[in-house]
Amino acid sequence: DQQVKQNSPSLSVQEGRISILNCDYTNSMFDYFLWYKKYPAEGPTFLISISSIKDKNEDGRFTVFLNKSAKHLSLHIVPSQPGDSAVYFCAATLSLGYGGSQGNLIFGKGTKLSVKP
Amino acid sequence: GAGVSQSPSNKVTEKGKDVELRCDPISGHTALYWYRQSLGQGLEFLIYFQGNSAPDKSGLPSDRFSAERTGGSVSTLTIQRTQQEDSAVYLCASSLVETGGAGSPLHFGNGTRLTVT
Repeated sequence: DQQVKQNSPSLSVQEGRISILNCDYTNSMFDYFLWYKKYPAEGPTFLISISSIKDKNEDGRFTVFLNKSAKHLSLHIVPSQPGDSAVYFCAATLSLGYGGSQGNLIFGKGTKLSVKP
Repeated sequence: GAGVSQSPSNKVTEKGKDVELRCDPISGHTALYWYRQSLGQGLEFLIYFQGNSAPDKSGLPSDRFSAERTGGSVSTLTIQRTQQEDSAVYLCASSLVETGGAGSPLHFGNGTRLTVT
């Protein structure tokens, strides 16, 4: 049973436009969410995160939105650049309040983003 | 280097052989994780070490899989009597404290691509 779902395996966007990557989760206890980016033959790298006490977190061109009632989060990239082409993983966890969590992140299957020049 | 280091980067082995995969985490990181990514799948949690606590082995798929972390630093993932379904990229990650906490995301290595023939 997948607790974190990324239903779009791929997304193609024109350079300069907005990329929107979606993620749904089933466990209402999750309270901390992260996005990772992965290039081929490299490990995933942390991109941006959001706590369940917020509904939006922004870092430069990247914004993550959280809708707790819908158990849905999305990553917006504006403007999209060819270098953003990668696989994006959504992940969720239970935090312990002091900065820790239960121990492991639950990842989705990823969405491959292609940004065309 | 300053990142998580994994060796070997590629490993081809015959079905039934044992393999050992090594991970050197970032110095000072107390938490260490093993994940694997099979073709077309997301990141599957395997095992997690935190300081001197007993490891969380809940993700290990069978008793053929085991892992050790010596001296709170280097970790070795061992797969005994490998099967073709063990073929995957095995990723190691480390973090300052338990994953997911604010400011303490996972830092991944580039992985070991295991092929069982």
